Amino acid sequence: KQEVTQIPAALSVPEGENLVLNCSFTDSAIYNLQWFRQDPGKGLTSLLLIQSSQREQTSGRLNASLDKSSGRSTLYIAASQPGDSATYLCAARGGYNKLIFGAGTRLAVHP
Amino acid sequence: NAGVTQTPKFRILKIGQSMTLQCTQDMNHNYMYWYRQDPGMGLKLIYYSVGAGITDKGEVPNGYNVSRSTTEDFPLRLELAAPSQTSVYFCASRIRDRGLLEGQETQYFGPGTRLLVL
Repeated sequence: KQEVTQIPAALSVPEGENLVLNCSFTDSAIYNLQWFRQDPGKGLTSLLLIQSSQREQTSGRLNASLDKSSGRSTLYIAASQPGDSATYLCAARGGYNKLIFGAGTRLAVHP
Repeated sequence: NAGVTQTPKFRILKIGQSMTLQCTQDMNHNYMYWYRQDPGMGLKLIYYSVGAGITDKGEVPNGYNVSRSTTEDFPLRLELAAPSQTSVYFCASRIRDRGLLEGQETQYFGPGTRLLVL
């Protein structure tokens, strides 16, 4: 059974820092690994999707990597801004169209 | 496009009451999903559908029912509400485009319905 774990659970940093959020999964038989952003009281917004055949994806200041063999993905946020404050969720897509989510990392970036 | 819309935004139910959470998408997506998110936790899949008339159970289906009579709508029914069903419910959809490789697609999420059962 797929289990997804995110570390740390919460993070508070000053503006401008570079950040690394970690995601680990137990079953390497995945179709893709996705990173989502969730703002309080809102739905989820997809940030990056890494297919199982890919090693990384980049979008602006965000870079996500995937190492299937070790069951790990990292989300790198460069030059963090207060507007980056949100909860970041990773999800592994396995068979039967199922996304298995981690519990998230709550990020606070203060000016 | 409005994307994925959910109603109501918030509801309080008494134990034993029933209700239907509505979900509609206007993107002509084949697949639709219902998740629940408990405080401090990730989302868990309740039910999903790969097209009109076809539904299947996810991780936590007990206490819920779904139907998919049209491509656009995927309502979630709670028959006998229990305090354990207090949660935020999210609906999502995605396209199954045969021009895309499996694993290239992403899911689009609605804003959620916050449900409190007392």
